[in-house]
Amino acid sequence: AQKVTQAQTEISVVEKEDVTLDCVYETRDTTYYLFWYKQPPSGELVFLIRRNSFDEQNEISGRYSWNFQKSTSSFNFTITASQVVDSAVYFCASLGETSGSRLTFGEGTQLTVNP
Amino acid sequence: ETGVTQTPRHLVMGMTNKKSLKCEQHLGHNAMYWYKQSAKKPLELMFVYNFKEQTENNSVPSRFSPECPNSSHLFLHLHTLQPEDSALYLCASSQGRRGARTDTQYFGPGTRLTVL
Repeated sequence: AQKVTQAQTEISVVEKEDVTLDCVYETRDTTYYLFWYKQPPSGELVFLIRRNSFDEQNEISGRYSWNFQKSTSSFNFTITASQVVDSAVYFCASLGETSGSRLTFGEGTQLTVNP
Repeated sequence: ETGVTQTPRHLVMGMTNKKSLKCEQHLGHNAMYWYKQSAKKPLELMFVYNFKEQTENNSVPSRFSPECPNSSHLFLHLHTLQPEDSALYLCASSQGRRGARTDTQYFGPGTRLTVL
């Protein structure tokens, strides 16, 4: 079974600030996959990134970066120089090799970026 | 990318009505999913179809009836719903290679359902 915890329910920052969204996962699978999705007010879940458990290399994509650390079971997401358009609910999710298609989501973090 | 579309975007129905939600994916995928997103709750997987066959039913009440006529289309037929069924219903699709269930899922915009 998988479990994903996003302890931060809401975060509010001012534009241009950096912000980190935390994600802690639990799994018994040796091979698993971690995801981040963004859900703007329109409702659609937008896929941002996927990481495999055997690849701990951090990733940067523009203003977005992800820090995957197996030692602490964390997969944190940082937005650099935040913008108003970054305001959304962000979900961390996991998928284990033994969980079929059952993507397990955290409860989400509501990020508000104020001008 | 509008790879997964859903209609209608908003639906209001009475408890005695029958309605259907439609999902279409344009990504060439073979697996499709229905999720329910209620306020204050994590997303819940409802159904999974892989190559048109239902492979998962997450103990969903029979008032929700899925249909997958082909790999591109997925329906959710609704009848005699309850007010607590009001939620955002999200459709997703993934590559769906046979034997591989860990592909990335891509979501549609959802249907906001209100049951009166």
